[in-house]
Amino acid sequence: GESVGLHLPTLSVQEGDNSIINCAYSNSASDYFIWYKQESGKGPQFIIDIRSNMDKRQGQRVTVLLNKTVKHLSLQIAATQPGDSAVYFCAENRGSGGSNYKLTFGKGTLLTVNP
Amino acid sequence: DAGVTQSPTHLIKTRGQQVTLRCSPISGHKSVSWYQQVLGQGPQFIFQYYEKEERGRGNFPDRFSARQFPNYSSELNVNALLLGDSALYLCASSTTDDQPQHFGDGTRLSIL
Repeated sequence: GESVGLHLPTLSVQEGDNSIINCAYSNSASDYFIWYKQESGKGPQFIIDIRSNMDKRQGQRVTVLLNKTVKHLSLQIAATQPGDSAVYFCAENRGSGGSNYKLTFGKGTLLTVNP
Repeated sequence: DAGVTQSPTHLIKTRGQQVTLRCSPISGHKSVSWYQQVLGQGPQFIFQYYEKEERGRGNFPDRFSARQFPNYSSELNVNALLLGDSALYLCASSTTDDQPQHFGDGTRLSIL
């Protein structure tokens, strides 16, 4: 079965609210995690990544949190905008000695932002 | 700068045929990976090439093959196409193995 999964397949938020997308992983050997955004008809777009030696990493309007104790990853989007509407995927590598080429993706969460 | 480019964007084939998909990585990127994305699911890893050598292979049959050229572009070849091969085929590139992968918009392959 899937080793990377999402708690919520869909998430609907109001414009301006903060969004939190969750992801569970089962492989404790995974040492690299990455979030992608995929809009309809396009390929996945890199958002932010984090290595297992970190608990938190921030980007522009986004924050990724990693809890290795419970094997949980989350993506926080501040002040969500209509342009943030898309499917969000978390992905992991599985301890490939630092290499991140072989990513395992979850099923994705559909984020809908209501104006 | 140009992103990862893939061609063709759409392709229709019939069962038993063969197909070749092409990918040009971002300039300066030496690593290319291929993924298959079935509708409603996340991408699944097929192959990775780095400096023209295969570095990884996913759980796909031998009908799937790939190669990387001296200019780091890559081709994915699928023989004896099955209906189940209908999917979006994505190419991703990165500078090295330990850097984030950046995806192209894929080739939509439909098998009739």
